[in-house]
Amino acid sequence: ENVLTQSPGTLSLSPGERGTLSCRASQSVGKDYLAWFQQKPGQAPRLLIYDASSRATGIPDRFSGSGSGTDFTLTISRLEPEDFAVYYCQQYATSPQTFGQGTKVEI
Amino acid sequence: EEQLVESGGGLIQPGGSLRLSCTASGFSFSDYWMQWVRQVPGKGLMWVSHIKSDGSNTRYADAVKGRFIISGDSAKNTVYLQMNSLRVEDTAVYYCAIGGGWLINHWGQGTLVTVSS
Repeated sequence: ENVLTQSPGTLSLSPGERGTLSCRASQSVGKDYLAWFQQKPGQAPRLLIYDASSRATGIPDRFSGSGSGTDFTLTISRLEPEDFAVYYCQQYATSPQTFGQGTKVEI
Repeated sequence: EEQLVESGGGLIQPGGSLRLSCTASGFSFSDYWMQWVRQVPGKGLMWVSHIKSDGSNTRYADAVKGRFIISGDSAKNTVYLQMNSLRVEDTAVYYCAIGGGWLINHWGQGTLVTVSS
């Protein structure tokens, strides 16, 4: 299976700062079928980015995704208070679909 | 309104069985996949299984293969997860999810399954 490794495990930032989250795959992700999800405590995850760089409906443009092959990045240009959450990457190119272990963005 | 509603979670003893249900409404996918993803409280996400809308294609994570069965009723826009031979390590919140392909566009709110004696 394609193992996804996210770094860092925790990112400590202040509102207004830029956040950069990394996701590295053990095998190339076909067609760059990589997604990013945001999860807040007690809530279901929410799709932010799909196909590595396309924003989902209703997602603010401060969220952007980049990368291809095995290395992917989620960037939050200016952190808002509501952005403090856990972020997961997921590849959906091959079965089993796999998730990274998550990056917690905290104040 | 797009909505996924799950039901069927609860407390069950090891070795027991449970069936989860998930009904989709308000989605405009003509051809979709429904999925189950689980999350141990405080831990990460793990994909469990998926099924195509016409029931033609099903897959499972190795951890549940041979014990869990996914099925669907397209007329009711409902997917089921029959969970047999449950283990303590199956304890998790089980999320139903849907997408136009294997991408997950929408998630349900989750149902908690607790396997304990």
